[in-house]
Amino acid sequence: DAGITQSPRYKITETGRQVTLMCHQTWSHSYMFWYRQDLGHGLRLIYYSAAADITDKGEVPDGYVVSRSKTENFPLTLESATRSQTSVYFCASGTSPQETQYFGPGTRLLVL
Amino acid sequence: SQQGEEDPQALSIQEGENATMNCSYKTSINNLQWYRQNSGRGLVHLILIRSNEREKHSGRLRVTLDTSKKSSSLLITASRAADTASYFCATNGNNRLAFGKGNQVVVIP
Repeated sequence: DAGITQSPRYKITETGRQVTLMCHQTWSHSYMFWYRQDLGHGLRLIYYSAAADITDKGEVPDGYVVSRSKTENFPLTLESATRSQTSVYFCASGTSPQETQYFGPGTRLLVL
Repeated sequence: SQQGEEDPQALSIQEGENATMNCSYKTSINNLQWYRQNSGRGLVHLILIRSNEREKHSGRLRVTLDTSKKSSSLLITASRAADTASYFCATNGNNRLAFGKGNQVVVIP
């Protein structure tokens, strides 16, 4: 099916472990984005990518790593998870950073 | 900051009534967008209004933009229970979207 998918939808991990959240889109959008959503903070941009092999930091990049070897995939890795990274993570895609963004269903991550 | 700020932050109305929410921002923008988020789901784009537009309609939605006051409003007419959601404004003037914290709307059947 066309669209944007995220996996896993739910994840529980422990402090210090590495976790990778996956994002896949079928629209061939050049731009992809990772946000985290926390109560009291709204959505905050972690990283974004303008094309394959082009990534840039957003508002809250510390503790996260991204890669984009293929246009359709944009994985987000927490290299050493901390409790403060407990959040809901949303991936989005679009044709431009200024135009409409299309969001995935989100991944709920709990770091114990 | 660029980030939009919605007002009121929570709104409870009866089905059939209109719901109005506002968004204020601080710097110049290229466009302003409104998104809806149902509980436990991702955000869904509702409408985009450009800085040279003053009003835009989409179905039961009406959005206005006043760049001199740096504010926008979203009106949902004849609300339905299915309109219960959080509504976010997002501004873009710096090559990225900055989202507000959201406005929770509850429509009582």
